[in-house]
Amino acid sequence: SAVISQKPSRDICQRGTSLTIQCQVDSQVTMMFWYRQQPGQSLTLIATANQGSEATYESGFVIDKFPISRPNLTFSTLTVSNMSPEDSSIYLCSAGQIEQFFGPGTRLTVL
Amino acid sequence: EDKVVQSPLSLVVHEGDTVTLNCSYEVTNFRSLLWYKQEKKAPTFLFMLTSSGIEKKSGRLSSILDKKELFSILNITATQTGDSAVYLCAVGVGSQGNLIFGKGTKLSVKP
Repeated sequence: SAVISQKPSRDICQRGTSLTIQCQVDSQVTMMFWYRQQPGQSLTLIATANQGSEATYESGFVIDKFPISRPNLTFSTLTVSNMSPEDSSIYLCSAGQIEQFFGPGTRLTVL
Repeated sequence: EDKVVQSPLSLVVHEGDTVTLNCSYEVTNFRSLLWYKQEKKAPTFLFMLTSSGIEKKSGRLSSILDKKELFSILNITATQTGDSAVYLCAVGVGSQGNLIFGKGTKLSVKP
């Protein structure tokens, strides 16, 4: 299994600002994923990030709002841009092509 | 539209009871079914199932998949208070194995 870390673990941000979340995996992986979990809800896939190619976004999510980088096989970032209170969620990254393992999540609160 | 439905949404039992959690799905391009336990932020991996009729076991937890009837169950025997959590069912679809999550079953085990 992969061990995944995320930074920051939590943040409180002002409306209109942006936050970049980092995800580090302890081994090289082809597939990394970003999820959002809104309060009281289940996980929703934002995008899939493969190294060396553009991220693939799910319906309802766009690159301008959630730009993703994947510079190598162990690291990815997700930026939440021009934030509003509706973006308050837990953001999780995961890795693995068959069994997916999750990072500890980033709890974001937008005021 | 792909969907994963879990039942019940919540369940309260006493220590020592046995519980069965249900997960049904309707997806195109099924690849796998995964169970996770979520206590605070990060879902922790329990099982991955790809073949019908083969039970997977880990201690007091077990799970089985029925690909004909499109459902899976997660059994927990001799429940303990530490089993209290949200149990998430997710179905992997497509070549990248993107996960579609159910809403989860919130299990509360009373002493």
